[in-house]
Amino acid sequence: DARVTQTPRHKVTEMGQEVTMRCQPILGHNTVFWYRQTMMQGLELLAYFRNRAPLDDSGMPKDRFSAEMPDATLATLKIQPSEPRDSAVYFCASGLVQLAGANFYNEQFFGPGTRLTVL
Amino acid sequence: AQSVTQLDSHVSVSEGTPVLLRCNYSSSYSPSLFWYVQHPNKGLQLLLKYTSAATLVKGINGFEAEFKKSETSFHLTKPSAHMSDAAEYFCVVSDLAGAGSYQLTFGKGTKLSVIP
Repeated sequence: DARVTQTPRHKVTEMGQEVTMRCQPILGHNTVFWYRQTMMQGLELLAYFRNRAPLDDSGMPKDRFSAEMPDATLATLKIQPSEPRDSAVYFCASGLVQLAGANFYNEQFFGPGTRLTVL
Repeated sequence: AQSVTQLDSHVSVSEGTPVLLRCNYSSSYSPSLFWYVQHPNKGLQLLLKYTSAATLVKGINGFEAEFKKSETSFHLTKPSAHMSDAAEYFCVVSDLAGAGSYQLTFGKGTKLSVIP
């Protein structure tokens, strides 16, 4: 049963520290997305990749956040330095974007999330 | 540009009664539509999807949704609610807006409570 995995599941850190979150997409998927979920803002798209190339990271605060895909099996989201307002659940999702005739398929499969608390 | 409106932020039903979660969308092209469910402290799980095949889509756990283009709606229904259905539900739209754009646009979610 293929799944998206994320590590760590929980992270508590102090303001100013670097945080790295990792995601292993489902093998064969060609898109990877990073989302942030908070009570106030709901689900926000931070960045996404297609075939490991960043397509859009306009949702991400560039001064402190960075997202990379060093290889097809690993996506990372880094925050440096972290701030209390970054406390949220961060989800990774992967999908296989396909065009089949007039149909467009881009279902996304979500990981369990990383719950980040910045004190 | 695409958008999604979930008309109710919170729906409460009694166990065994029907569930209706409402969703309206706007899209410039022929959209793909999804419903995702999120149980407390869990990730999002796909319930069902519409990709321009049959307009009545059946999903997991007895849920179904009907795509109505004239009404730009994609409401989620279930004949009989179960306690385990208590969760947050997200209506999602995706289309080919722009070259190479694969984004999903999420509604703000509807929290479903099931009363014993």
